[in-house]
Amino acid sequence: QVQLQQWGAGLLKPSETLSLSCAVYGGSFSGYYWSWIRQPPGKGLEWIGQINHRGSTNYNPSLKSRVTLSIDTSKNQFSLRLGSLTAADTAVYYCARVPIKIYGGAILVPDPDSGLDVWGQGTTVTVSS
Amino acid sequence: DVQLTQSPSFLSASVGDRVTITCRASQGITTYLAWYQQKPGKAPNLLIYGASTLQSGVPSRFSGSGSGTEFTLTISSLQPEDFATYYCQQLDSYPFTFGPGTKVDIK
Repeated sequence: QVQLQQWGAGLLKPSETLSLSCAVYGGSFSGYYWSWIRQPPGKGLEWIGQINHRGSTNYNPSLKSRVTLSIDTSKNQFSLRLGSLTAADTAVYYCARVPIKIYGGAILVPDPDSGLDVWGQGTTVTVSS
Repeated sequence: DVQLTQSPSFLSASVGDRVTITCRASQGITTYLAWYQQKPGKAPNLLIYGASTLQSGVPSRFSGSGSGTEFTLTISSLQPEDFATYYCQQLDSYPFTFGPGTKVDIK
């Protein structure tokens, strides 16, 4: 059974950088886009971005200037860094996966006829001085 | 960005009721829509993908339909464990946006 186990610092100060990692246990690592989603307290879900095993990334434009996703295929892990934090970045952060679809034998995209089918347990991040 | 709206935002229902939640997209997204259930303190759980395909392990009382800009999630007979918040998400174009959620509460 596939599991995503995430970790990282939970209490940060304004202007600091958030750093979270997510390890994948079981299943294919190359067959998915690996995603980050966040949820502010009492609010809805916001898609942050995704990365595949080749290091190809897609980011939410609202966060793109502050976000970096990276991947370590040797460890089946991927990571999120979010800089210049403010209180508005206080949220539960989740990692999740979405299956890859291959076009023309070479172009990898997240399968639009799918969804985020496995999620991490969530990490609460609080930004406060 | 594709904007998703959900209605209602809050729903009070009884065990055994038939419940329908609507998700509308600001532009056509064919059938590239997923539905999730989230319980307090837990990660969301995928229910439906491709607008109408039931995720493995999800009870058959859940169903999805729609295409283009209007989609529905139906629970045919509400069970106690179904009281939760439900979100739609589009995977048609970046960023992959979510709807604001529909909270289903006990009447």
